[in-house]
Amino acid sequence: GAVVSQHPSRVICKSGTSVKIECRSLDFQATTMFWYRQFPKKSLMLMATSNEGSKATYEQGVEKDKFLINHASLTLSTLTVTSAHPEDSSFYICSATWLRGGADQPQHFGDGTRLSIL
Amino acid sequence: GENVEQHPSTLSVQEGDSAVIKCTYSDSASNYFPWYKQELGKGPQLIIDIRSNVGEKKDQRIAVTLNKTAKHFSLHITETQPEDSAVYFCAASMNSGGYQKVTFGIGTKLQVIP
Repeated sequence: GAVVSQHPSRVICKSGTSVKIECRSLDFQATTMFWYRQFPKKSLMLMATSNEGSKATYEQGVEKDKFLINHASLTLSTLTVTSAHPEDSSFYICSATWLRGGADQPQHFGDGTRLSIL
Repeated sequence: GENVEQHPSTLSVQEGDSAVIKCTYSDSASNYFPWYKQELGKGPQLIIDIRSNVGEKKDQRIAVTLNKTAKHFSLHITETQPEDSAVYFCAASMNSGGYQKVTFGIGTKLQVIP
């Protein structure tokens, strides 16, 4: 149980393109979803927290107009990287949990999206 | 805010030996401590977790211990196998402003040598 599907797994596109990444919880209702960015051989950097039906909360230093997050249903959240540039190239990972405000529930992660901007 | 330190950053063990990864946290409000295993090109996968009202938890070859007083927790893998090779992350979680706030350690790259 607790499967999170992330799509696409890899994207290669030209500079200036907008890219949408989907994160779906397949067998549970995800009240909260998280979006992370991971640099090579580094830990996970939280970008934003998204609760179903409300605006995402962005971490300091993350441009909300650059990284648009939508969490319209209990099973789907999307991250759109707008007007992507080479410096946006990274590994993006989503996770989901089913208890809003509950600190003692695990996050279940998708398999990530490797974004490469040429 | 919470600060999680993890060590060692790399660990090599012979197949069959035990591996231990240690983490410390700074904020006593943290009450949930999951461990994740990340294989190359994949997302992290939960392998075991422990809550603050428990001192030790075991699941087959994997065990986790928690010392709330000292604010440290550890992952123990016994009888290591080559498929245990991966990056392991510890994390500390708390309720912050009504939402879950998780802080990850920097990761430990475990290599099990056949």
